[in-house]
Amino acid sequence: GNSVTQMEGPVTLSEEAFLTINCTYTATGYPSLFWYVQYPGEGLQLLLKATKADDKGSNKGFEATYRKETTSFHLEKGSVQVSDSAVYFCALGPSNDYKLSFGAGTTVTVRA
Amino acid sequence: EAGVAQSPRYKIIEKRQSVAFWCNPISGHATLYWYQQILGQGPKLLIQFQNNGVVDDSQLPKDRFSAERLKGVDSTLKIQPAKLEDSAVYLCASSLDTTTGGELFFGEGSRLTVL
Repeated sequence: GNSVTQMEGPVTLSEEAFLTINCTYTATGYPSLFWYVQYPGEGLQLLLKATKADDKGSNKGFEATYRKETTSFHLEKGSVQVSDSAVYFCALGPSNDYKLSFGAGTTVTVRA
Repeated sequence: EAGVAQSPRYKIIEKRQSVAFWCNPISGHATLYWYQQILGQGPKLLIQFQNNGVVDDSQLPKDRFSAERLKGVDSTLKIQPAKLEDSAVYLCASSLDTTTGGELFFGEGSRLTVL
């Protein structure tokens, strides 16, 4: 079945550092890929998405590219801020509905 | 635009007791989901509704969990009797339709502790 494996945390960085969170997936067909973020005290919210191979999703300085050949969707940001401290979830959706399979989440803490 | 509303935010009960969680989705969203998020894990889908019909409840432990969405708007998730392993955050989400690649909108969750 569909599954997502993402980098274990926690990850602690200094402000302006480069952030990468690895995500790989196993799926049949042509899934969509997502990154959701959960800021402290808030609900999960969509950060970015890509619906087909080689698509790049981007938002708030974050980027992720859908790589079919490596079954990956790694999240990157070139210069993190304290406000980026959150839990990040990689998720995979099948091609015909919204049933999402989530990774375990990666906690990121950015220090000033 | 109002987001997905959930209540209560926190609930502590003894094992074998019952509990109910309520969700009000974003207005106009036809699809509603309940997810269970155990500490240290990603959310796991329990049940998906399209309007007031169940689309997928394959991972709902039906011997103790039940959910309904009678008028195609609000939904209630019930656990009876609760077990220790039910301690988790219960997330409600909604979406406008089932078009591939769309966005789910999540509530803040209801945190359940079973003692």
